[in-house]
Amino acid sequence: QVQLVESGGDLVKPGGSLRLSCTASGFIFSDYYMNWIRQAPGKGLEWLSYISNGGRTIYYAASVKGRFTISRDNAKNSLYLQMNNLRADDTALYYCAGAVGGFAPFDYWGQGTLVTVSS
Amino acid sequence: SYVLTQPPAVSVAPGKTARITCGGNNIGNYRVHWYQQKAGQAPVLVINYDVDRPSGIPERFSGSTSGNAATLTISRVEAGDEADYYCQVWDGSPVHSGVFGGGTKLTVL
Repeated sequence: QVQLVESGGDLVKPGGSLRLSCTASGFIFSDYYMNWIRQAPGKGLEWLSYISNGGRTIYYAASVKGRFTISRDNAKNSLYLQMNNLRADDTALYYCAGAVGGFAPFDYWGQGTLVTVSS
Repeated sequence: SYVLTQPPAVSVAPGKTARITCGGNNIGNYRVHWYQQKAGQAPVLVINYDVDRPSGIPERFSGSTSGNAATLTISRVEAGDEADYYCQVWDGSPVHSGVFGGGTKLTVL
């Protein structure tokens, strides 16, 4: 069955860095356009970043542009999010989500990995 | 940037119809998707492209758009429908970005 599993969440100090991973199985990963979406504790969903199926087209939300970098390795069925210069307001549950086309609805979601930014 | 506005909360008795709105300027120019998020779980797509139901979603869930609002309608509400519901679009100006509404907590009385 379709599965997305995020990992890499941790407690990190302000200004620190973290790399999240999302491993896919049960579908043809290279066909899917992938996204990172986060949810701060008790808050709503916030889209962060998009990467096309081949990795050539990338977009970021203004809140993370210049600090976060999305990438993927289709040979490893994996999606990544490199997060630098982390701030307290980056504390959230981070989801990876896949869409069958560009700018399509998010068909598949992982269960999320928790990032806590605190001194 | 584009803004989607949802009511924070909607309450409905079991067996009745719940309607959750999603407002946005000229929202008819966008394709609206709806997600259900139950407590402690990841979101699930329940309506895509304004009106379509993904496989496995009950027919009780339907979507529509009119004027400056999209609406998620849940007929014959069940206790298991209690969840947060989010609308979402893709905005293309000035750059492509995903946009979520603030979410609506559906309480089944």
